[in-house]
Amino acid sequence: QKEVEQDPGPLSVPEGAIVSLNCTYSNSAFQYFMWYRQYSRKGPELLMYTYSSGNKEDGRFTAQVDKSSKYISLFIRDSQPSDSATYLCAMSAGGTAGNKLTFGGGTRVLVKP
Amino acid sequence: EAGVVQSPRYKIIEKKQPVAFWCNPISGHNTLYWYLQNLGQGPELLIRYENEEAVDDSQLPKDRFSAERLKGVDSTLKIQPAELGDSAVYLCASSLSRATGTQYFGPGTRLTVL
Repeated sequence: QKEVEQDPGPLSVPEGAIVSLNCTYSNSAFQYFMWYRQYSRKGPELLMYTYSSGNKEDGRFTAQVDKSSKYISLFIRDSQPSDSATYLCAMSAGGTAGNKLTFGGGTRVLVKP
Repeated sequence: EAGVVQSPRYKIIEKKQPVAFWCNPISGHNTLYWYLQNLGQGPELLIRYENEEAVDDSQLPKDRFSAERLKGVDSTLKIQPAELGDSAVYLCASSLSRATGTQYFGPGTRLTVL
């Protein structure tokens, strides 16, 4: 079983809808949680970065971390066709592991006009 | 500010041939990473450099893969000989330091082994 699990999708939503993405993980040492967006034939780009549990909001994006459940979420409000991409969650333990990232497999999102 | 630069963007080779990928990180970034991304999967770390020192190469298949980062700036990843299963995207990323969580990725090199 992989350390980080993510539903591959695809997730198809109409423009303006809320997109809900999530990952589960098994390594309790993970403390830093990230969401990356990857467009086709491009490298991943960082969207959100969260330390430990709690919520973080940035514009239309909200990231939530529940360490007790080993579950993280990303919500995209008022979704736009330009949000169509693959979303990757990533985690690291920090400390002696530095910022070695362990990624989920990615969820493909399609926002239809 | 220029991002992480990788070349070539695409490479097609016959199996058993050698291949090399080049990465130029963001200026001032001491930490450099090479990742492998298979189709439909997330990136997996191959090797991490702190300046010119490889500090984590536990996932690098050393029988056929090698990497170097001379002078602590540019880096080259080599495969010799390539196998069919090496077809994937090879991503380079950089960050200011090991303690900083933000990694910036390049566009990747898409390798096809025939």
